[in-house]
Amino acid sequence: SQTIHQWPATLVQPVGSPLSLECTVEGTSNPNLYWYRQAAGRGLQLLFYSVGIGQISSEVPQNLSASRPQDRQFILSSKKLLLSDSGFYLCAWSIDRGDTQYFGPGTRLTVL
Amino acid sequence: AQKITQTQPGMFVQEKEAVTLDCTYDTSDPSYGLFWYKQPSSGEMIFLIYQGSYDQQNATEGRYSLNFQKARKSANLVISASQLGDSAMYFCAMREGHGDDKIIFGKGTRLHILP
Repeated sequence: SQTIHQWPATLVQPVGSPLSLECTVEGTSNPNLYWYRQAAGRGLQLLFYSVGIGQISSEVPQNLSASRPQDRQFILSSKKLLLSDSGFYLCAWSIDRGDTQYFGPGTRLTVL
Repeated sequence: AQKITQTQPGMFVQEKEAVTLDCTYDTSDPSYGLFWYKQPSSGEMIFLIYQGSYDQQNATEGRYSLNFQKARKSANLVISASQLGDSAMYFCAMREGHGDDKIIFGKGTRLHILP
């Protein structure tokens, strides 16, 4: 069966520091991968999605970036964090475009 | 305009009662998919149920069923015989078109099951 992992689970970072969140999927090949952000008490906002290695589509212009160095690895990064980057970051995967997306356990990021 | 509307920010329901969580959607695309996700306090988004726009019958998954009323653009989630573990945030979501990567989420409904 397929599983999706995210780490770290929680992170507290100062403003201006870099960020790297990792997501990996097991049990499937060439999944579609997604990064979402959920601000406190709000719905999900799609940040990035990837249909293959090195292929990244950005939904929201911001100081975050994403990379997919391996088939089942998706990384969310920032060179300099802002206070507004605080939130709950969820990674998700799907078998194909339009299929149900399955989510990881999330990373709670607090920028101070 | 919002694509997904969940009008109930919070609900309190007695254990073992049935629950209906409302969701209306807005799309002009004839092909679309509707999803419900559960988010407990741990934060993980758990997929519950899916309804395709061309599906003739309402989707069911165990205690979950989706009351799909296409003409009204309504996709309410029904939970039968609620349990304390059903307390969570519930999100309705929509995918427009066929093969689109983007899923649009509503703002959610927080469900509290009372013992």
